[in-house]
Amino acid sequence: DQQVKQNSPSLSVQEGRISILNCDYTNSMFDYFLWYKKYPAEGPTFLISISSIKDKNEDGRFTVFLNKSAKHLSLHIVPSQPGDSAVYFCAASFMDSNYQLIWGAGTKLIIKP
Amino acid sequence: ETGVTQTPRHLVMGMTNKKSLKCEQHLGHNAMYWYKQSAKKPLELMFVYNFKEQTENNSVPSRFSPECPNSSHLFLHLHTLQPEDSALYLCASGTGRDEKLFFGSGTQLSVL
Repeated sequence: DQQVKQNSPSLSVQEGRISILNCDYTNSMFDYFLWYKKYPAEGPTFLISISSIKDKNEDGRFTVFLNKSAKHLSLHIVPSQPGDSAVYFCAASFMDSNYQLIWGAGTKLIIKP
Repeated sequence: ETGVTQTPRHLVMGMTNKKSLKCEQHLGHNAMYWYKQSAKKPLELMFVYNFKEQTENNSVPSRFSPECPNSSHLFLHLHTLQPEDSALYLCASGTGRDEKLFFGSGTQLSVL
């Protein structure tokens, strides 16, 4: 049973518009969430994170929103740029997990010119 | 050289072969990880080493054998693999005090 789900395998967005990537989780014990970005033939790279005590974290064009009651988080990218085309992974952890991550299956984002 | 380096980038092996994957990190981290990524599936944690000691083995078959001689180097020894073991194998390192991991580019493994 997947504890972290990314239900959209792919998403296509026009350059300059907002990209919204979604992630749902089932374990209410998760207290830290991360987004990683992966280009082809490269390993994932850390993008942005959020603690469960917050509902929003912003870093430049990237904002992560957390809705604990819905067990849902989203990553907003605005404005979307061609270099944002990649696979985005959502991951979660909880305090007693020894910092180990539970991963979603990823969403492939395609930015159209 | 900086970051996490994995070799080889690609590997094709038969089911009776023995091969090893190598990972090296130049970030001064204490924790190193092996992950398996199959197509369109979540990353699966295989092994975790913290200060050279194995702290996690997520029910990985014995045909995968990790080795961590020091905090900078990590190996994954492979023998008598199955075709379903074909996947991208990713090495990562971290401080062991938070969830931010730094990944290598991975080894794309094909078992024939």
